[in-house]
Amino acid sequence: QVQLQQWGAGLLKASETLSLTCAVYGASFSDYYCWVRQPPGRGVEWIGEISHSGSTIYNPSLKSRVTISVDTSKNQFSLKLSSVTAADTAVYYCARGSDYTWNFWGQGSLVTVSS
Amino acid sequence: QSALTQPASVSGSPGQSITISCTGTSSDVGGYNSVSWYQQHPGKAPKLITYGVSDRPPGVSNRFSGSKSGNTASLSISGLQAEDEADYYCSSYASNRIYVFGTGTKVTVL
Repeated sequence: QVQLQQWGAGLLKASETLSLTCAVYGASFSDYYCWVRQPPGRGVEWIGEISHSGSTIYNPSLKSRVTISVDTSKNQFSLKLSSVTAADTAVYYCARGSDYTWNFWGQGSLVTVSS
Repeated sequence: QSALTQPASVSGSPGQSITISCTGTSSDVGGYNSVSWYQQHPGKAPKLITYGVSDRPPGVSNRFSGSKSGNTASLSISGLQAEDEADYYCSSYASNRIYVFGTGTKVTVL
């Protein structure tokens, strides 16, 4: 059974860098992996994806501040978002997918940015 | 890339059928057969319920069915049950190789 477990700092100050990591269990580290976020009480925004080989695609609205990386030796992938502001306060989810969909999700991490 | 447009809320009585719409453009919903629907209960991660417009992952009830016509996709839920009360989001692959999500629909079981 595929499981994704994510972790990272939950409270940041404005201008700091958000850093989250997601570990994949129960499956080979293939297919694609993404990060999405959901501000409190609002909808879902796709941040970007990375393939098992390290190819990345980012949401143009966040591209200048986002880096997604992969560590295949640990079956993990990570998100870094620089220069955060209060607008980046959200629950961040990692997910695994194939066939243009995201079928396994992490538990979510609430990241709060204080000014 | 703008979010796909969904109704804010849809409601129905137990046993009834409801349909949620998801409107995009020819650059996303209309251009690809890559629409997915997700169910999200409060405080939980989204759960995939349909993909590829109308396919269902293993274990998902056949009460959920997806379809698409032009730039609008739809999710139908038949035999509405109390456990179906949740937020529902559509998502589509888009022409610039990104994914766009819908604005979300709150389903209420009366």
